[in-house]
Amino acid sequence: KAGVTQTPRYLIKTRGQQVTLSCSPISGHRSVSWYQQTPGQGLQFLFEYFSETQRNKGNFPGRFSGRQFSNSRSEMNVSTLELGDSALYLCASSPGTSGYTGELFFGEGSRLTVL
Amino acid sequence: GNSVTQMEGPVTLSEEAFLTINCTYTATGYPSLFWYVQYPGEGLQLLLKATKADDKGSNKGFEATYRKETTSFHLEKGSVQVSDSAVYFCALNAGNNRKLIWGLGTSLAVNP
Repeated sequence: KAGVTQTPRYLIKTRGQQVTLSCSPISGHRSVSWYQQTPGQGLQFLFEYFSETQRNKGNFPGRFSGRQFSNSRSEMNVSTLELGDSALYLCASSPGTSGYTGELFFGEGSRLTVL
Repeated sequence: GNSVTQMEGPVTLSEEAFLTINCTYTATGYPSLFWYVQYPGEGLQLLLKATKADDKGSNKGFEATYRKETTSFHLEKGSVQVSDSAVYFCALNAGNNRKLIWGLGTSLAVNP
């Protein structure tokens, strides 16, 4: 079974630009969560999508947004990039259809550098 | 609020040494506790978990016991191998929300 796939793996942007990251979950998984990982803050929850609906949201500004498509693939977008947005963005999938188990399957991440 | 504190790394051990990585938490109610591992070049994966006090999670020779009295979930392994070199993350889930709260991670390097 293929794992979680994130694209692109690496990207460099400049301040003020926007970026879109993509995540393809494990086949059959309907929940996709996004996390931001930085050395100082660790993993911070961004949001979770299930069946094309945002089910949960972390404490990030509105510049961070996401969506999920009918095939469960998800994208996240960051607009008006700031230097502090430089991070590894992790996507995780889970079946999502029963009670929350905490068992997430992660991709390798998209490393964003903002100059 | 809910939080997880892990011992800082890096931790460097020789093969067959005993491993302990400390994890303590602050949470309301009765959280579920997790250890995730990230091997070089790979995504995080669940190593073990415990959902109630005194539960012991175990996998691949690793163990952790949910201690409510000390709010701890320390990761242990009796004899580490070079292949255990990775970053280990402690995490919790509390309340009715569907997200994990993470520690900062502890890097482990095992030398032959």
